[in-house]
Parts: sequence; structure tokens; C-alpha cells
Amino acid sequence: DTAVSQTPKYLVTQMGNDKSIKCEQNLGHDTMYWYKQDSKKFLKIMFSYNNKELIINETVPNRFSPKSPDKAHLNLHINSLELGDSAVYFCASSQDLMGYGYTFGSGTRLTVV
Amino acid sequence: AQTVTQSQPEMSVQEAETVTLSCTYDTSESNYYLFWYKQPPSRQMILVIRQEAYKQQNATENRFSVNFQKAAKSFSLKISDSQLGDTAMYFCAFSNGNSGYALNFGKGTSLLVTP
Repeated sequence: DTAVSQTPKYLVTQMGNDKSIKCEQNLGHDTMYWYKQDSKKFLKIMFSYNNKELIINETVPNRFSPKSPDKAHLNLHINSLELGDSAVYFCASSQDLMGYGYTFGSGTRLTVV
Repeated sequence: AQTVTQSQPEMSVQEAETVTLSCTYDTSESNYYLFWYKQPPSRQMILVIRQEAYKQQNATENRFSVNFQKAAKSFSLKISDSQLGDTAMYFCAFSNGNSGYALNFGKGTSLLVTP
């Protein structure tokens, strides 16, 4: 029973398309995050939500929009995909804002061609 | 802004030996958390060890231990009795309230354990 699950695990799409990555956690955590890992393996925070409220919104293009329908779900929608968006996207959750029980999903490898 | 520096892009160690991965960070805050994460080729992010800055005692988890030097802003990871399964990327990370407790990662150290 996966704690933080992301779908899909792999996504190949053409430039200009719109795509979504879904994330769900069954840990009862209050806070969820999206991280991006680039081709050099560098991990950087993109967004975080606490109880459906946006807490962190790092400098990412407006084409990226997170959506949290409830505290167990945090989806990432990307419009007008570009080659530079190719990366691994990780969802994570934590018990609270202080980061207890930080748990990562297995990642979504997005390839834009 | 907080920065995390891992000065060793790649390291190699023989099975059963001990290896130390270095990490330094920069912050003006007194309350924060430090982490080491392991990312094997499967790409899963696995928490190795966590340290609260207010705790002077170094955290340990089985073969993994840290040397936390708060004044020097240093947080190194020691892996004892290295095993082939320890081959992975290792990331040092920092979090505190100023960053909304998001993890601020270093660039990683690629560790290869050889037979």
C-alpha cells in the first residue's frame, strides 16, 4: 500500500502539449510538495501546500499550476510543454509544516520531445 | 538564502570499508533540520538520517552516523561497513521556517561501493 503515489511514472509528450501529474498520499499528512530534479540530479522545491492552502510558490513559469482538491491530493498541471521541462518530478508529503515524517513518491520522469 | 554545499561530486569505497561524505551549509538561523537522503538507481528518495539543530548528540541509524558541527555548519555522513547496496547518490538537505520547511538540497555525491 504505497504511502505517496504518483501517476504516471513515465510520461513522454510533444512540445506544446498540456499534461498533468497526479499525486496522492494516504498517510494523513497535512503538507504536500512538488520537487523538480533536473538532468544533473539537482532537486529543487517548486510548490508546497498545507491543508489545501498554497504555502510555497518558488520561481517557476506560470505554465506550471498546482491544484490541491483536498489535503490528500496535490496535482501538477503543465501547459505548453517545452523541452526544458524534461525532468523527474517528485511529490512528497509531511505530517506538518515542520517537515516531520517527510515521505517522497517514486517520481515521474517527464520527457518532452 | 540558505545554501547547502557538497564538495565531493563522486566517491568510491571498497566493500566493508568506511566512507565519509561531507556537507556544509550556510544559515543565520538557530533552529533548523538537516537530512541525508539516498537515491539509488531506482530513483526513490530514501531518508537515511535526520538531525535537529537543537540536539547536540549526533544522530545514528545502524551503519549510518553523522558528525554535526553546528558552529562550523558542517554535517558529514559516515557509512561504516559499506555494502554494495549503498551505491547511490547521496543528498544533504536543510530545512527551516524561512523556507517553509521545504527541503533545500545540495548537489549530491555519487557513491560507488566496489567489491
